[in-house]
Amino acid sequence: DIVMTQTPLSLSVTPGQPASISCKSSQSLLHSDGKTYLYWYLQKPGQSPQLLIYEASSRFYGVPERFSGSGSGTDFTLKISRVEAEDVGVYYCMQGIHLPPITFGQGTRLEIK
Amino acid sequence: EVQLVESGGGLVKPGGSLRLSCAASGFTLTSYSMNWVRQAPGKGLEWISSISSSSSYIYYADSVKGRFTISRDNAKSSLYLQMNSLRAEDTAVYYCARGTYYYGSGTYRGYMDVWGKGTTVTVSS
Repeated sequence: DIVMTQTPLSLSVTPGQPASISCKSSQSLLHSDGKTYLYWYLQKPGQSPQLLIYEASSRFYGVPERFSGSGSGTDFTLKISRVEAEDVGVYYCMQGIHLPPITFGQGTRLEIK
Repeated sequence: EVQLVESGGGLVKPGGSLRLSCAASGFTLTSYSMNWVRQAPGKGLEWISSISSSSSYIYYADSVKGRFTISRDNAKSSLYLQMNSLRAEDTAVYYCARGTYYYGSGTYRGYMDVWGKGTTVTVSS
């Protein structure tokens, strides 16, 4: 199974400041079809997960431009350019290159200072 | 509006059974794969099963293989999860999620884009 490792597991950010989360996979997520099967989700308190970034760097519909994804192969990063209060929650990376199984990172909890 | 609504959760004794349902609306279910993902209390997300649009491809996590069965009824716009031989470690919120998957080069791959609000399953004596 592909292991997804996120760092840090928690971070506290002042509103308006940037935030960055790293995700590393135990195998390359680049498929021969040219797509990179790495996704980012945010689970806000008391809610279900919502898709933020698909294929490593594409923002899903309605996701604010302050969220960006980057990386390739096995190393990926989610960046928030200016954190807002509504961004609190747990962020998960997920790989979907080869079912089964789909696997998630441990999650990174973002709180506001 | 795209919507997924889970139901069927509850309290069940170890060894018991439960059937979860997920009602889909706002999109054409036949165009999508569907998934079940669970989250134990205070823990992260665990994918447990996927089913392709025509039910041709079905996959399970090792943790539920042989005990859980995923199925769908496209005419009723519904997804199901039959859970048998339940254990305490199956206690979790169960989410259904819409999937976009690709098959080729010997692999089935993709992601989940829309999630329901979840239904809670508690396995306890």
